[in-house]
Amino acid sequence: GQNIDQPTEMTATEGAIVQINCTYQTSGFNGLFWYQQHAGEAPTFLSYNVLDGLEEKGRFSSFLSRSKGYSYLLLKELQMKDSASYLCAVTDSNYQLIWGAGTKLIIKP
Amino acid sequence: ETGVTQTPRHLVMGMTNKKSLKCEQHLGHNAMYWYKQSAKKPLELMFVYNFKEQTENNSVPSRFSPECPNSSHLFLHLHTLQPEDSALYLCASSQELAGGTDTQYFGPGTRLTVL
Repeated sequence: GQNIDQPTEMTATEGAIVQINCTYQTSGFNGLFWYQQHAGEAPTFLSYNVLDGLEEKGRFSSFLSRSKGYSYLLLKELQMKDSASYLCAVTDSNYQLIWGAGTKLIIKP
Repeated sequence: ETGVTQTPRHLVMGMTNKKSLKCEQHLGHNAMYWYKQSAKKPLELMFVYNFKEQTENNSVPSRFSPECPNSSHLFLHLHTLQPEDSALYLCASSQELAGGTDTQYFGPGTRLTVL
């Protein structure tokens, strides 16, 4: 079966750095997405990785290792507004998007 | 504001009611999607439309009936639902049905409660 694993919940301190991991077992791979979803709001696109390595976009970076079936989202200089759920999703060989259950990130002052 | 709107934002209905969810995208996209989001579960893809044609129905019960009159509008008609259908229903759109590599833009969702 196809599976996306990410921690259910994480807590971090304002101003710190947090890394949210995502591991996947899918039938093939055609890219990995990270989305952010604030409570009661729409998921919004953060990043897309299809090649190995680190993609940096301001305070957020996303890393991919296809050989390990592993990605992480790195959030620096955390702000209270970063409190949200972070969804990992992988496109498989049939170009179906497989979603993880999301990681709820709680930022404390 | 993502360019995708959904109404209503909240809906409470009895098991014998009939209601409809509406989604509209203002992005000029060609593909639209319905998802079900339950607490602590992955997003479940329900239906996919590409250029108004349904391309996917992920074994969704017939009590959910989609309608796509044009590329900008998507409806989900609900009837004789069950309490376990209570969830957040999200609509999304993407430029093309580019095999899942195209970024999807989501609406804020309709929080549905079935009594």
